[in-house]
Amino acid sequence: EDQVTQSPEALRLQEGESSSLNCSYTVSGLRGLFWYRQDPGKGPEFLFTLYSAGEEKEKERLKATLTKKESFLHITAPKPEDSATYLCAVQAGAQAGTALIFGKGTTLSVSS
Amino acid sequence: ETGVTQTPRHLVMGMTNKKSLKCEQHLGHNAMYWYKQSAKKPLELMFVYNFKEQTENNSVPSRFSPECPNSSHLFLHLHTLQPEDSALYLCASSPGLAGVTQYFGPGTRLTVL
Repeated sequence: EDQVTQSPEALRLQEGESSSLNCSYTVSGLRGLFWYRQDPGKGPEFLFTLYSAGEEKEKERLKATLTKKESFLHITAPKPEDSATYLCAVQAGAQAGTALIFGKGTTLSVSS
Repeated sequence: ETGVTQTPRHLVMGMTNKKSLKCEQHLGHNAMYWYKQSAKKPLELMFVYNFKEQTENNSVPSRFSPECPNSSHLFLHLHTLQPEDSALYLCASSPGLAGVTQYFGPGTRLTVL
């Protein structure tokens, strides 16, 4: 069964304290891995799409990496405005349809 | 308007009411989706439309009825809902179906009394 597991469920950081969020997945044929940021009461905001192992993408303080079994979202010197829930999703092979399979998310709190 | 918009943003309804959620995308995409997000649970796909044709129905109860009149508009008609249907309903769109990014709207917070 295709599934996505994110860890930790919650993470508290001090401003400037770098860390990483993990997304491990088991799918039959990965067609894409997606990272989103979601603020309370709002829809997910797209961050990154990764397609193959070894791929990396960066945006401001965030960097996403992908291996054959997991993805990491590295946060360098976070600021309070980075506080949000970060969602990971994968799209599996053609036989699985077009659904994105989401993890439960990691809720990040950054204090000043 | 840009991106994906949803109305209303908040909706409270009784179990015997009929209401509709509306989604509009301004991105020129061909595919549109409805997702349900309940507390402490991952997002769940409900329906997928591609070029106005429904391509997936993820075993959703018939009290939820989608409608896609064109590639830019998507509706979710609601009737005789249950309290457990209270959730954030999210609309998304994408250029195609395979391996492409889905862009989400702000959601409709639905409360069923």
